[in-house]
Amino acid sequence: AQSVTQLGSHVSVSEGALVLLRCNYSSSVPPYLFWYVQYPNQGLQLLLKYTSAATLVKGINGFEAEFKKSETSFHLTKPSAHMSDAAEYFCAVSDHGGSNYKLTFGKGTLLTVNP
Amino acid sequence: GAGVSQSPSNKVTEKGKDVELRCDPISGHTALYWYRQSLGQGLEFLIYFQGNSAPDKSGLPSDRFSAERTGGSVSTLTIQRTQQEDSAVYLCASSLVGWDSYNEQFFGPGTRLTVL
Repeated sequence: AQSVTQLGSHVSVSEGALVLLRCNYSSSVPPYLFWYVQYPNQGLQLLLKYTSAATLVKGINGFEAEFKKSETSFHLTKPSAHMSDAAEYFCAVSDHGGSNYKLTFGKGTLLTVNP
Repeated sequence: GAGVSQSPSNKVTEKGKDVELRCDPISGHTALYWYRQSLGQGLEFLIYFQGNSAPDKSGLPSDRFSAERTGGSVSTLTIQRTQQEDSAVYLCASSLVGWDSYNEQFFGPGTRLTVL
């Protein structure tokens, strides 16, 4: 069974500061990993994905994540936070046995950006 | 083109009533997923459709929950005899299915269900 652990349910940063949201996974097969963002009262939007190509993945809105197999981690970073980054972020792993790509999500991290 | 749409956006019901939640996937997407988002449990997978069949129903929490998909398109999630613990946001997602690459799941805005 796959699982995802997001360290820190709430992260607060100042505008312009580095954003680091942590994600560790467990998977019995080479994983597909994702970060999604959810703005208030909206659905989930894909930020970026790792599907066994380059280990450093660049996504939308200046976010990137690095897949580290030895650490079973897929942390999300952004060099400089913007007020518009305030949202909830979910790390997810895909069960891609056969054709079923159902996602297993972490509990989420709420990012607050202070002026 | 249009994204995934869900209706209603909000549903308030009384305990014991049945509810139906609808999902319209992106045209041409053969895979459809239902997830539930609740305060206590986070985001949980409920059921997966490939075309009209549901090869994975493992996430449905009880036999009060059922879902169907017709014409390889619209899906309905039905909850019978609703309980207060069913209160949550129900999210639908759709994707293409490919054998050689991951196909992104596109999510709808969700239906917020409140059971009084």
